[in-house]
Amino acid sequence: GIQVEQSPPDLILQEGANSTLRCNFSDSVNNLQWFHQNPWGQLINLFYIPSGTKQNGRLSATTVATERYSLLYISSSQTTDSGVYFCAVGTSGTYKYIFGTGTRLKVLA
Amino acid sequence: DAGVIQSPRHEVTEMGQEVTLRCKPISGHDYLFWYRQTMMRGLELLIYFNNNVPIDDSGMPEDRFSAKMPNASFSTLKIQPSEPRDSAVYFCASSGPGTQYFGPGTRLLVL
Repeated sequence: GIQVEQSPPDLILQEGANSTLRCNFSDSVNNLQWFHQNPWGQLINLFYIPSGTKQNGRLSATTVATERYSLLYISSSQTTDSGVYFCAVGTSGTYKYIFGTGTRLKVLA
Repeated sequence: DAGVIQSPRHEVTEMGQEVTLRCKPISGHDYLFWYRQTMMRGLELLIYFNNNVPIDDSGMPEDRFSAKMPNASFSTLKIQPSEPRDSAVYFCASSGPGTQYFGPGTRLLVL
């Protein structure tokens, strides 16, 4: 089956810093989402981005489907950005998502 | 919309008991997913439905697990009998084509 790898596994930032999270996948995908799991366990949808670039405030994401990777950019990080960021991918003909192992982010005040 | 609703939010039970988790998807969404999250295995898809019909249940770990979706606004995940290794957070999610939205999860502890 498709493999999803996220890097880095852990990241510690000072408030105000920028960061880039990466998601590599081993096969062609038709669906890709980025989620943030906050410290209370809630999974929040950030982007649905099977291809192209999207921006939402301080967050943006880019997926290059032909090269099998996606990037999540966080600018001017805040302590509320702390948590785990997951990439999830789905292949053709299915909405079955495979989740990566996540990037655990801690933003220090 | 209130988002995906799950109940109960927390459940503590003893080994051997039946556990029923409930989910109300977002109105208009025709896909519903059940996931399990543990430290060891991460987020795993257990089963998903399209228009109330189970499409893929290959992630259901054992016959002790069953899921139903009697109508477009309600689904259950049942574990009978429960075991300590079933302790996890169980999430329900719903979507139209594409974006999945997760419920708050049910934290299950089997003693």
